[in-house]
Amino acid sequence: DTGVSQDPRHKITKRGQNVTFRCDPISEHNRLYWYRQTLGQGPEFLTYFQNEAQLEKSRLLSDRFSAERPKGSFSTLEIQRTEQGDSAMYLCASSLAGTGRTQDGYTFGSGTRLTVV
Amino acid sequence: GEDVEQSLFLSVREGDSSVINCTYTDSSSTYLYWYKQEPGAGLQLLTYIFSNMDMKQDQRLTVLLNKKDKHLSLRIADTQTGDSAIYFCAETWNQGGKLIFGQGTELSVKP
Repeated sequence: DTGVSQDPRHKITKRGQNVTFRCDPISEHNRLYWYRQTLGQGPEFLTYFQNEAQLEKSRLLSDRFSAERPKGSFSTLEIQRTEQGDSAMYLCASSLAGTGRTQDGYTFGSGTRLTVV
Repeated sequence: GEDVEQSLFLSVREGDSSVINCTYTDSSSTYLYWYKQEPGAGLQLLTYIFSNMDMKQDQRLTVLLNKKDKHLSLRIADTQTGDSAIYFCAETWNQGGKLIFGQGTELSVKP
């Protein structure tokens, strides 16, 4: 297992277009998280899944954003009708919950950098 | 409320100790973390501390937690140029739930 993988690494899109990002977590991890990071800021929580269930969504996640984890493995984050304010690094992380190991923290991917022009 | 604050910049000379500070507001936080982010890279977990501890040491890293003042610090001994990065503290109050991050401290290590 090579850690958390995110694809693509970079995405440039025109305002109004839809984009979709993919995250492949560490295979035995049952929790998957999405964060957004803008320049000079820390990551902001967007949503997380335990297996295929979406357990929490931030108020930051407008109705243009949707995330899925259909089989409890990889996840996709879609942004519809992109706006310039959506330009950011989108980070995915995974962890193993329910076994007392959540205190070990979360493993982050390298992120997808979105630029909306 | 959820708020984690850090000073934005720290500059030290190679070989000196670095101390990066963090304050948080949620007294129910159970785990507090330190992450390192190098340019163009994701977040690397450095260390964490459980809220019933007041100190944790891991090689060159020492974490101090003052729960009364909601203050967390990360000390890096014998700082090297490879330690130059942005350091984030983060908190969570439920197992495996969302992490709340500070805005990050940019550490610059001069030779």
